[in-house]
Amino acid sequence: GAVVSQHPSWVICKSGTSVKIECRSLDFQATTMFWYRQFPKQSLMLMATSNEGSKATYEQGVEKDKFLINHASLTLSTLTVTSAHPEDSSFYICSAVAGGPGEQYFGPGTRLTVT
Amino acid sequence: EDQVTQSPEALRLQEGESSSLNCSYTVSGLRGLFWYRQDPGKGPEFLFTLYSAGEEKEKERLKATLTKKESFLHITAPKPEDSATYLCAVRDAGGTSYGKLTFGQGTILTVHP
Repeated sequence: GAVVSQHPSWVICKSGTSVKIECRSLDFQATTMFWYRQFPKQSLMLMATSNEGSKATYEQGVEKDKFLINHASLTLSTLTVTSAHPEDSSFYICSAVAGGPGEQYFGPGTRLTVT
Repeated sequence: EDQVTQSPEALRLQEGESSSLNCSYTVSGLRGLFWYRQDPGKGPEFLFTLYSAGEEKEKERLKATLTKKESFLHITAPKPEDSATYLCAVRDAGGTSYGKLTFGQGTILTVHP
């Protein structure tokens, strides 16, 4: 199957700072990537859809100025959490679609803790 | 709005005791029903995609089936290493978020030796 990587796997930051998370498709090109958020013992909630070369589409209730998404190439999307606060602490997971109506593969996730 | 409901929320089995997980869905036009396995602290691992009613797919001890309203994940003779959360998701036919998945809450499977 296709491989999606994320970096870092975990990060601790202080309140008010910004954190960047990278998502890469390693063995395929992904025109569309997705960013999800998962709280403990809950399912995945879609935050935004990232399309290469265009602006991201955010789900209702997700602050686009707080969660900046950049899909700079067919293999890389980044999520920047700006001015992070403790309530932003969560497990962030990206996924990528392997072209057309194909399977969607997930990265290993990034654990963000804001102190 | 797409809806996905999984049952049961948690399932405890003895090793070798076969069972099934259910995923009921409501979607305007189905463009895929997905099953994933998620271990604690990790991202979901892709298992199956089903596209049309009557379709079935198998992988080792797992078999997924699909009807127009629900999907089942059958686990035959499970082993302790099958313990995980199993997630079901659907992708609908329209909207601006092409490929967007809507997830159920998951079923936590525990297999005791």
